[in-house]
Amino acid sequence: ETAVFQTPNYHVTQVGNEVSFNCKQTLGHDTMYWYKQDSKKLLKIMFSYNNKQLIVNETVPRRFSPQSSDKAHLNLRIKSVEPEDSAVYLCASSRDWGDTQYFGPGTRLLVL
Amino acid sequence: GDSVTQTEGLVTLTEGLPVMLNCTYQSTYSPFLFWYVQHLNEAPKLLLKSFTDNKRPEHQGFHATLHKSSSSFHLQKSSAQLSDSALYYCALSSNTNKVVFGTGTRLQVLP
Repeated sequence: ETAVFQTPNYHVTQVGNEVSFNCKQTLGHDTMYWYKQDSKKLLKIMFSYNNKQLIVNETVPRRFSPQSSDKAHLNLRIKSVEPEDSAVYLCASSRDWGDTQYFGPGTRLLVL
Repeated sequence: GDSVTQTEGLVTLTEGLPVMLNCTYQSTYSPFLFWYVQHLNEAPKLLLKSFTDNKRPEHQGFHATLHKSSSSFHLQKSSAQLSDSALYYCALSSNTNKVVFGTGTRLQVLP
């Protein structure tokens, strides 16, 4: 049963455009995460939010920014995408920070 | 800093043989260790999580034992099934606000 929802499933865009990906969880969790999974399947944490406060911000390029309206939603915005941004972006949530994570289906981004 | 090492990128074995996927870690504090499994075109999902009281977690025939002395949390199963073919990630979370995933091991089970 899906409890972490991501939209869109797939997005194709051109270099320099801005994109936004949405994530919503219905588990009542306090923490949400964004990961980038590249073509080699490496899974790198990008951001995490706990009760709307950014608690981990890895050294990602500044064109990436998380946006949260409440603890059930954590969106990802990319200003001016670049070819190396092509990847699958996975959203996850956990009851508390560092606890078992539940992943969404991912958004596949292709930058032409 | 915190790190997780999975030495095998690909493990191929025949159905019915035992499985062992290696995971070692480095952490200043006593972290929680996890195994996540990702089947083709699916999201990662939890397979096992370490306990604080040294109990051995088990799920779907898989088990893993946290050995603090050797900083290891190897994943094992006595008999591989075709449906076990997937990507397996070892991960840790520490109380220093760190979540780290290993590079993943692809398990390929052949008939």
